[in-house]
Amino acid sequence: DAKTTQPTSMDCAEGRAANLPCNHSTISGNEYVYWYRQIHSQGPQYIIHGLKNNETNEMASLIITEDRKSSTLILPHATLRDTAVYYCIVRVYSNSGYALNFGKGTSLLVTP
Amino acid sequence: EAGVTQFPSHSVIEKGQTVTLRCDPISGHDNLYWYRRVMGKEIKFLLHFVKESKQDESGMPNNRFLAERTGGTYSTLKVQPAELEDSGVYFCASSQVLGKVANTGELFFGEGSRLTVL
Repeated sequence: DAKTTQPTSMDCAEGRAANLPCNHSTISGNEYVYWYRQIHSQGPQYIIHGLKNNETNEMASLIITEDRKSSTLILPHATLRDTAVYYCIVRVYSNSGYALNFGKGTSLLVTP
Repeated sequence: EAGVTQFPSHSVIEKGQTVTLRCDPISGHDNLYWYRRVMGKEIKFLLHFVKESKQDESGMPNNRFLAERTGGTYSTLKVQPAELEDSGVYFCASSQVLGKVANTGELFFGEGSRLTVL
């Protein structure tokens, strides 16, 4: 799987947009970009994923650059409950060997 | 619909003892995964079942760990004998088989079983 690089930590004021970057310069054509997060000691939670088009759901938006070498997860109106570790994971969309490589992620702190 | 459930939520045992963790996936999910996070480290993949078959067990640390999924429903992860370095949080996840309706490839995680080995 392609390796990802994320900042170790970020801060965001409550109510503002949180923009979390991820570099995946070695991504291959059949690899998707997935985002998960882990709030404190809970189980990881899926947020969103995409291949090359920008995606949006009720939780977030995912912006993938045209060359697919980087992406940004956007939480449009961050709340205190969005404080968590966010993981950018690049993975082939397949049933065989779905071993997610979580890496270190970005620790997002949302402040009042 | 019930999510992925894990039991126990916390287990404290002594070195050399045996512990069995249980995971009940979301009903109808053929894929079941075990992950763990040891103190201060990243979340690491352990293994992946498709129904009752082990699809990938490349992450299992050693032969003290035994995972089973008899009948393709719930799964157990047994650690025998437990060592100090086994302490951590063990997460189970499940997912739908690709090709079924509305499958995003998303893994649904349980809340984890915290294992403390003294």
